[in-house]
Order: sequence, then structure tokens, then C-alpha cells
Amino acid sequence: DGGITQSPKYLFRKEGQNVTLSCEQNLNHDAMYWYRQDPGQGLRLIYYSQIVNDFQKGDIAEGYSVSREKKESFPLTVTSAQKNPTAFYLCATLSGRNTGELFFGEGSRLTVL
Amino acid sequence: AQSVTQLDSQVPVFEEAPVELRCNYSSSVSVYLFWYVQYPNQGLQLLLKYLSGSTLVKGINGFEAEFNKSQTSFHLRKPSVHISDTAEYFCAVSRNSGGYQKVTFGTGTKLQVIP
Repeated sequence: DGGITQSPKYLFRKEGQNVTLSCEQNLNHDAMYWYRQDPGQGLRLIYYSQIVNDFQKGDIAEGYSVSREKKESFPLTVTSAQKNPTAFYLCATLSGRNTGELFFGEGSRLTVL
Repeated sequence: AQSVTQLDSQVPVFEEAPVELRCNYSSSVSVYLFWYVQYPNQGLQLLLKYLSGSTLVKGINGFEAEFNKSQTSFHLRKPSVHISDTAEYFCAVSRNSGGYQKVTFGTGTKLQVIP
């Protein structure tokens, strides 16, 4: 079955450590997105990538980095520069190229101690 | 610019009662409209979408929504809710912005179905 796999599901890290969240898809979708979700704030766009080797900053990119070396993979690194990294992170692909319809992974919950 | 407003952060409703979750948006251009549902500690799933045509759209799990252009609203309704409908619901709008589909989400409405 086609889908998006995010790993790990839960992650605990100490302050000051970089963390990389994995996102792999086998849907053959070109565009991929990373969102951050905090209670009461909805989803906020961190980075997006429309094709391999290209990515753009979203609304809250500071303290994050991404790469897109393969169509299937779009990992997100939460760096030590991110001031408040504890959140639920969602990866999505664009299933409706001309409509903006998104298909989401199950999410990764990062807790920084 | 575009924005989405979900005025109700929480909506409690008794089982088998009807429910309406409100969504209003603002945009200077035409948009596409979506409702997504999120169960605890999971990703979002598409409930329904309005792209064009009939303003009343039907989705999964018995939900429907009506697009009202004059009121810039896209309210979600269900005539009789079930315990399993307890979840958070997000309204979203999408428009083309320089060849990229910009998607904006509302802050979500938590639906709590009371037995």
C-alpha cells in the first residue's frame, strides 16, 4: 500500500542536540511538506520541496533544515538554534497538484528535555 | 494573503445529536477548500473537499459541508454524531501562489461527543 512513513514516532532529546526526523513516501508524489503542530495553533509550514534537489522555506523555517536528495525522502533536522522545538511534526505530500490536497504521515512527537 | 478562522476551539455534543463546525476564510482570489480530521497522536485525513461545482459536498463518515461564497464560509455538518467522531477537525484553504499551492490551516476545532 502506498503511504508516508515518519520515524521515529516519539523522540526525546536533551537541549542543544540536533535531531533528524525521517519522512519516506512511496506515492510517487513530487511535492513534500513539513508542518509543525502546537496545541491551539493549527499547522504551520516549516519547509516544502516541489522537486528533488529543491526546497523552499515556509513560514517558520528558522532553526530547521531539510534536504531532498531523492524523490522518496525529505528528512527534517531540528537544530539547536530552534528555541522551542518540542512539538508534533507532520510530513505531507501533495496528492492534488493543482488543488493543494495533502496526504499526511502519522507524525513524529519530539520532546526536548 | 489568505486566512482561515475556526471560531470554536471546542464543541461538545451529545451522541446522535447534529453538529456544525464553523469555518470562515478570507482570500482575494479563488481558493479550494478542505476539511481534515485528526485522531489523537495521528496525522490528518481528508474528510472532504470543495474544488468547483455543487456547493454542497459530501465526505466520508457521513459528513458534509456547504461552500458559501458570499459569506466566505465552509461549515462542516453531520446530522447525527457518533462517539467515534471525537477528534480534532481542521479547515484549510489552498490557492496557487507563483506555481506553488499555498495551503493555510485553521487552528482546529475539537469535537467531543458525549455518550
